Amino acid sequence: GAVVSQHPSWVICKSGTSVKIECRSLDFQATTMFWYRQFPKQSLMLMATSNEGSKATYEQGVEKDKFLINHASLTLSTLTVTSAHPEDSSFYICSATGGFEETQYFGPGTRLLVL
Amino acid sequence: RKEVEQDPGPFNVPEGATVAFNCTYSNSASQSFFWYRQDCRKEPKLLMSVYSSGNEDGRFTAQLNRASQYISLLIRDSKLSDSATYLCVVSTFGNEKLTFGTGTRLTIIP
Repeated sequence: GAVVSQHPSWVICKSGTSVKIECRSLDFQATTMFWYRQFPKQSLMLMATSNEGSKATYEQGVEKDKFLINHASLTLSTLTVTSAHPEDSSFYICSATGGFEETQYFGPGTRLLVL
Repeated sequence: RKEVEQDPGPFNVPEGATVAFNCTYSNSASQSFFWYRQDCRKEPKLLMSVYSSGNEDGRFTAQLNRASQYISLLIRDSKLSDSATYLCVVSTFGNEKLTFGTGTRLTIIP
């Protein structure tokens, strides 16, 4: 199956700082990438959908100015959590599609802890 | 009402037993259905797609009942490695946007 990587795998930061998370498709071109967030004991919640070269589509309730998404190439999308606060602490997971099977392939996730 | 509902469990099942999970979805326009498994602190991984006619993959059998809007997963001869959280996932437009249930936690006991 296709491989999606995320970096970093975990990050601890102070409140008010910005954190950038990278999502890469390693062996296929991802026309669409998705960003999810998962709080403890809750389901994955879709935050936004991004298509290469165009603006991301955000789900209701997700602040686009706080969660900046850039999908500049067919293999890379980034999520920047601006001015992070403790309530932003979560497990952020990306997925990508556009490969030969059209299945969504998930990255390993990034654990963010904001102090 | 949640779009996808699952019994959170936990299900504690002895090794070798058969276990079944159900899931209900609220959007009658849902077209694609999946079971994912998620290990602790890991990303979800596709276990199997669910087709209207039902489908089987080794020890795993998935069924879809569109009239009642529920999906089931049956695991036979359970192994210790089956311990995980099983996520019911539906999509309205193929794989474009996935809606996840909260998951059912399964622990296989030796």
